[in-house]
Amino acid sequence: DTEVTQTPKHLVMGMTNKKSLKCEQHMGHRAMYWYKQKAKKPPELMFVYSYEKLSINESVPSRFSPECPNSSLLNLHLHALQPEDSALYLCASSQVGQGPLAREQYFGPGTRLTVT
Amino acid sequence: SQQGEEDPQALSIQEGENATMNCSYKTSINNLQWYRQNSGRGLVHLILIRSNEREKHSGRLRVTLDTSKKSSSLLITASRAADTASYFCATVGGSNYKLTFGKGTLLTVNP
Repeated sequence: DTEVTQTPKHLVMGMTNKKSLKCEQHMGHRAMYWYKQKAKKPPELMFVYSYEKLSINESVPSRFSPECPNSSLLNLHLHALQPEDSALYLCASSQVGQGPLAREQYFGPGTRLTVT
Repeated sequence: SQQGEEDPQALSIQEGENATMNCSYKTSINNLQWYRQNSGRGLVHLILIRSNEREKHSGRLRVTLDTSKKSSSLLITASRAADTASYFCATVGGSNYKLTFGKGTLLTVNP
């Protein structure tokens, strides 16, 4: 199974709502990632988890809160978002490998988030 | 800031023609990867080339890497309408996992 799944596919939320995005993979990958992608722009890294521990936080606002409950699951908790946070949120996974050992990443289809 | 810069930003060709996209980057890398993204969907990994490699092939894809010029190219031969997508190069440098994406090339293959 080489698939990364993400739910929901679409999400509309108000600025006072709390919601969560979910990501799951069963490839045995121990590195998982969240990216944010605005229209016609490349993905921007938000967070990296390695062996279920937060490894990289790219100075993301605290209204985004990641969680990695186990080696197959990755969540992104959303609270008090702003309209400018509307974007495609992509989850990815890979084998662990840093620097020269870095490996290819497998991406999910994304969650299209609209903040009203 | 983005590491890679793709050229051209948009490319339109006829089915059966070859498509070449270029990527330039600024700092030293461990590897360079190419990804494809169909409209508004997830990215698909195409090929990874390490800094000590110069050329790599996968099916109709050919990637070259010139570390002295800090540039890479992706050639798609005998293009098909299904190749229509955005293509991104992404670099990995330093000692971490971070993929830094270029701005992408939008390829349109007309039937």
